[in-house]
Amino acid sequence: GQQVMQIPQYQHVQEGEDFTTYCNSSTTLSNIQWYKQRPGGHPVFLIQLVKSGEVKKQKRLTFQFGEAKKNSSLHITATQTTDVGTYFCAVNAGNNRKLIWGLGTSLAVNP
Amino acid sequence: DTGVSQNPRHKITKRGQNVTFRCDPISEHNRLYWYRQTLGQGPEFLTYFQNEAQLEKSRLLSDRFSAERPKGSFSTLEIQRTEQGDSAMYLCASSLAEALDIQYFGAGTRLSVL
Repeated sequence: GQQVMQIPQYQHVQEGEDFTTYCNSSTTLSNIQWYKQRPGGHPVFLIQLVKSGEVKKQKRLTFQFGEAKKNSSLHITATQTTDVGTYFCAVNAGNNRKLIWGLGTSLAVNP
Repeated sequence: DTGVSQNPRHKITKRGQNVTFRCDPISEHNRLYWYRQTLGQGPEFLTYFQNEAQLEKSRLLSDRFSAERPKGSFSTLEIQRTEQGDSAMYLCASSLAEALDIQYFGAGTRLSVL
């Protein structure tokens, strides 16, 4: 069945450093979504990517969808302590199927 | 508040007791999901509904778990004969299938089984 791998599992950075998490699928995706979960909170939708090679930006966050629509990345420039949390990708293989979630990348930021 | 609402926020129960959680989704959303999450892990899919139909149930889910969405609006998740391993955060999310299933989560119900 559909599987999605997310790496790394954990990342510890100094404030001001960049951070990237990757999401990889074995099959071509219909779309991919990214969510953020703060410690003690619930997942909150960040963005959705649909088109091959798509790049979207939200302030310091850059989201990219691979040309083959099998992988995606989330890059944070100059991390801040407010970026702390777990970042999940969730993929949809199409045909009205439910989302499949990655295991998440937990980001810790040292002030 | 027009977001996803879950009740109760916390539940402490003794092993062997039954518990029931409620989720009220965003009103126009036709899909409703139940997830379980333990510390340091991602959301673990339990089941989901499209309108009142239960479309999928995780194979990892024991027969002690049952969910309903009788009128296609709110949903309940019942756990019978609770075990300590059931202690977790139970998250509900709703979505609009036609909007590529972007999920909006409730704050969750934290279950502690003593």
